[in-house]
This record gives sequence, C-alpha cells and structure tokens, in this order.
Amino acid sequence: QVQLVQSGAEVKKPGASVKVSCKASGYTFTNYAFHWVRQAPGHRLEWMGWIHTGNGDTKYSQKFQGRVTITRDTSASTAYMELSSLRSEDTAVYYCARARGSGPFDSWGQGTLVTVSS
Amino acid sequence: QSVLTQPPSVSGAPGQRVTISCSGSSSNIGAGYDVHWYQQVPGTAPKLLIYGNNNRPSGVPDRFSGSKSGTSASLAITGLQAEDEADYFCQSYDSSLSGWVFGGGTKLTVL
Repeated sequence: QVQLVQSGAEVKKPGASVKVSCKASGYTFTNYAFHWVRQAPGHRLEWMGWIHTGNGDTKYSQKFQGRVTITRDTSASTAYMELSSLRSEDTAVYYCARARGSGPFDSWGQGTLVTVSS
Repeated sequence: QSVLTQPPSVSGAPGQRVTISCSGSSSNIGAGYDVHWYQQVPGTAPKLLIYGNNNRPSGVPDRFSGSKSGTSASLAITGLQAEDEADYFCQSYDSSLSGWVFGGGTKLTVL
C-alpha cells in the first residue's frame, strides 16, 4: 500500500537550515507530484511548494520563495524539503503529501516536527 | 491572512447532521477551482475526505458529502458519530497567490 515515511524530529538554532526527507513506497514514484505543507502550533495548514517528480520542476509559495528548496531523488523514491534562515516562527510540523497533477493531496507523510530555538 | 474562511468550531449530538462552510473569493473557489476537504485527528496527519468538490475516496463513508456554489463550499456530515470528532480543513487553488490554500480549520465536537 502507499506509504510516505518522513525523517525524524529536528531541533535547530535560529539562522540554521533543516532538510526533511520523505520516502515513498507502494506506487510508481514519478507518477505523482510531491507537495510540502507545514502546520505551526494552533495554526492552519500552510502550503510551501511542490515538485514534479518526473522532470524536477518546482514551484514555491511566495511566502517561502528564496528560503525553501524542494528536490527529489528518483532512484531512492524520496523527496526533500530544505528550509534555510530558520527563525522561531518556523517551528512547526512539516508534512509531505503526494498529488496526481493538480489534484488533491491523497496521501500524507506522518509529519516531522522542526523546533527552532536558541 | 485568511484566504479560505471556516468557522472555528461546530458541534452536534450523535446521529445529528452538521455542516461546515468554507468561504473563498473570485481568485480561488469562485474561479472554478476544485475544493477538497481533509480530516485531521489531533496528533496525526490530515486525511483526504472529499475531493473535487463532492467526491469521496474509497473507504470514506457516505455520511460525508461536499458541495460548492459560487465562492463557497460546504462539508456535510450526517449521522454524527463519536469517531467524527476531529479538525476539518478545506483546500483550493488560488490564482492570485499561484498556489494552494487552506481554510483555518473547523473543530468538530460530538456532544
């Protein structure tokens, strides 16, 4: 069955970068795009960007443009999200989710808690 | 800022029917983009509940239904059960932001 398994929790200092991975199994990796969504405590879900797993094209939310980089390794069926220049407001659970084309996010990773604290 | 607006909370007794609204604008729902709904039990990842305005993925009970009209959408849950207690989020695409947007979420309490 479809599984998206994310890397473990991270604690980072302000100004640092974090890279979260999302390994897919149970389907053909390049048939679906990957999105990254975050959820800060008590806040709404926030879309960060996505990657076309076939050709590597990316699109980022204007809010995160310049700070986020989404990549993929097709040989490992894994997508990555790197967020730089971290600040305390970036403390959140980060989710990967797959979607076919511009469709709904039909499977999600379990989430990765990133804590930014000095 | 709020792009899709949902009520913070709704409640209902077991067996009752509740609806959750999702209000958008001419750059998202009103532009014809599909609305999707997700259910999130606290501490877990969101789960797709309704896609393409009114379609249920396999495994989702027919007690859940969606609708869309103009710049708004709604999620209806009939025959409320204790297990329905969760947060519900709507989602659509926004052309002015060139990206996907979510509602603020609605906490459903089953009394």
